[in-house]
Amino acid sequence: SQKIEQNSEALNIQEGKTATLTCNYTNYSPAYLQWYRQDPGRGPVFLLLIRENEKEKRKERLKVTFDTTLKQSLFHITASQPADSATYLCALKNNAGNMLTFGGGTRLMVKP
Amino acid sequence: DGGITQSPKYLFRKEGQNVTLSCEQNLNHDAMYWYRQDPGQGLRLIYYSQIVNDFQKGDIAEGYSVSREKKESFPLTVTSAQKNPTAFYLCASSPQVGGGNQPQHFGDGTRLSIL
Repeated sequence: SQKIEQNSEALNIQEGKTATLTCNYTNYSPAYLQWYRQDPGRGPVFLLLIRENEKEKRKERLKVTFDTTLKQSLFHITASQPADSATYLCALKNNAGNMLTFGGGTRLMVKP
Repeated sequence: DGGITQSPKYLFRKEGQNVTLSCEQNLNHDAMYWYRQDPGQGLRLIYYSQIVNDFQKGDIAEGYSVSREKKESFPLTVTSAQKNPTAFYLCASSPQVGGGNQPQHFGDGTRLSIL
């Protein structure tokens, strides 16, 4: 069956360190993969999109990698700040389908 | 500023009651979506609409209904047939469904609880 897995345990890191979040998928052939940020009681906000033929994408302190062989995307936040604390969701769209499917999200806590 | 407005922010439903959640967008997007989010789970698609007067069931449509009479509006009704309605409901839009590399824009959700 198709599955998108993100670590359900919260990731706790110290301010200034790099946070790395993982998104693994099974039985998908995604054309692209998206990452969203969600704060408590708010809707997700789009951060980055990476295509299947791109290995890496950067935006300010954010970096996303996409390994279609490993079926995995990594989301990095460098020089993390307490304001980066949130839940981060990955979402992907199958080549064959029209809909985005979301992972369960990983909560990031950055401590000062 | 363009965006998606969901109302109310909190809603309580009595046994046997239908309730309607509002979603309005001024982004001029053709596609609109309703998701349900339960604690610790990903977003699950309830219904989506590609264009006015058209909508399709998502993965968990049972107990829900929608309408799309205007491009800007996509209300969701949680019917009494939905036995476990307590959840966080999110509305989203995108320029088109399946239209290439388009992110979805979300509202700030409605939290529905049972009285």
